[in-house]
Amino acid sequence: SQTIHQWPATLVQPVGSPLSLECTVEGTSNPNLYWYRQAAGRGLQLLFYSVGIGQISSEVPQNLSASRPQDRQFILSSKKLLLSDSGFYLCAWSVFQEYFGPGTRLTVT
Amino acid sequence: QQPVQSPQAVILREGEDAVINCSSSKALYSVHWYRQKHGEAPVFLMILLKGGEQKGHDKISASFNEKRQQSSLYLTASQLSYSGTYFCGTERGRDDKIIFGKGTRLHILP
Repeated sequence: SQTIHQWPATLVQPVGSPLSLECTVEGTSNPNLYWYRQAAGRGLQLLFYSVGIGQISSEVPQNLSASRPQDRQFILSSKKLLLSDSGFYLCAWSVFQEYFGPGTRLTVT
Repeated sequence: QQPVQSPQAVILREGEDAVINCSSSKALYSVHWYRQKHGEAPVFLMILLKGGEQKGHDKISASFNEKRQQSSLYLTASQLSYSGTYFCGTERGRDDKIIFGKGTRLHILP
């Protein structure tokens, strides 16, 4: 069966610090991978999606970046966090339907 | 390109019915429906691929009107466990990215 892992579950970071969130998928190959952000009480904002290794599409211009170094690994990064980067970050994969990871709750202070 | 969901929020008594709509300005390949409980990740409910398709399990069903580029989610005889935020996600083509609507908050009162 397929499983998606995200870590960490929660994170508190100061403004200006770097960020690295990791997502890995098990039990499938060549999935489409997504990073979403959800501000408190808001909808799902698509940040990045990837259809293959090294193939990243950015949906929103911002200080975040994403990389896919391996088929089932998707990383979200930032060199300098802003207060507005706070939110619930969700990784998802899809072959036919989307499956979401447990999410990382990021608070930038 | 973001689908439009309506209503934004619904408050129901247990046992009442609800309809949540999702519409797009562009032709759609598929519509996905998810429910999210507070503080948790969204959970997949169903996907509709063909115009005119209807799906359902338990007392939750959905329809997809391809020509109208619209889908509706039907919750019948709502239960307390149905509370949450419902999102529709749309694809314009196979293997295309999924774009989600802003969500519809559903609150069921006992």
